[in-house]
Amino acid sequence: QKEVEQNSGPLSVPEGAIASLNCTYSDRVSQSFFWYRQYSGKSPELIMSIYSNGDKEDGRFTAQLNKASQYVSLLIRDSQPSDSATYLCAVNKDSGTYKYIFGTGTRLKVLA
Amino acid sequence: DAGVTQSPTHLIKTRGQQVTLRCSPISGHKSVSWYQQVLGQGPQFIFQYYEKEERGRGNFPDRFSARQFPNYSSELNVNALLLGDSALYLCASSFVRGVGVETQYFGPGTRLLVL
Repeated sequence: QKEVEQNSGPLSVPEGAIASLNCTYSDRVSQSFFWYRQYSGKSPELIMSIYSNGDKEDGRFTAQLNKASQYVSLLIRDSQPSDSATYLCAVNKDSGTYKYIFGTGTRLKVLA
Repeated sequence: DAGVTQSPTHLIKTRGQQVTLRCSPISGHKSVSWYQQVLGQGPQFIFQYYEKEERGRGNFPDRFSARQFPNYSSELNVNALLLGDSALYLCASSFVRGVGVETQYFGPGTRLLVL
């Protein structure tokens, strides 16, 4: 079992729709969770961080964390073609590890 | 404010050679992490340095080494290059705000091709 799992996609949504990206993790002691966006040929760009159970909203983006079920998700409202990218989920396992474990990423395509 | 900078942006080497990649963190950040990202995969952790001390090491062979300088910039060295070392090498800078609370910001990366 991979430590952080994501569906590789592609996930295709029409422009204006809600895109829902999911990520599960295996280590219950994980404390910090991050979503990065990566355009082809570019480096990852931080979108959201979340540390507590529940929802966290930032503009069109909402991160949801459920530690009991060990999943974290990212919702993108009013999806735009410019949102087309690979979305990486990253987990910081615990306070002593200081490393991020990344999933393989989900490729999102927003169709105009 | 300047973000994380990395040099060079691209590099072509042959098998057996050695390479040094450089990274300068965001001003005020004292922690630098290195990741390797091969095509189609997520970044894989190589090293983290904080205040010039190694704080974490991933599952990479001893051919990979790194160091951090007093100005918090960092170098990643890879010896005896293999074809499989071809990848995007990412440097991430972070400000440690407390135990378990830090956010990493990535530089543009160095794309290494080993022939």
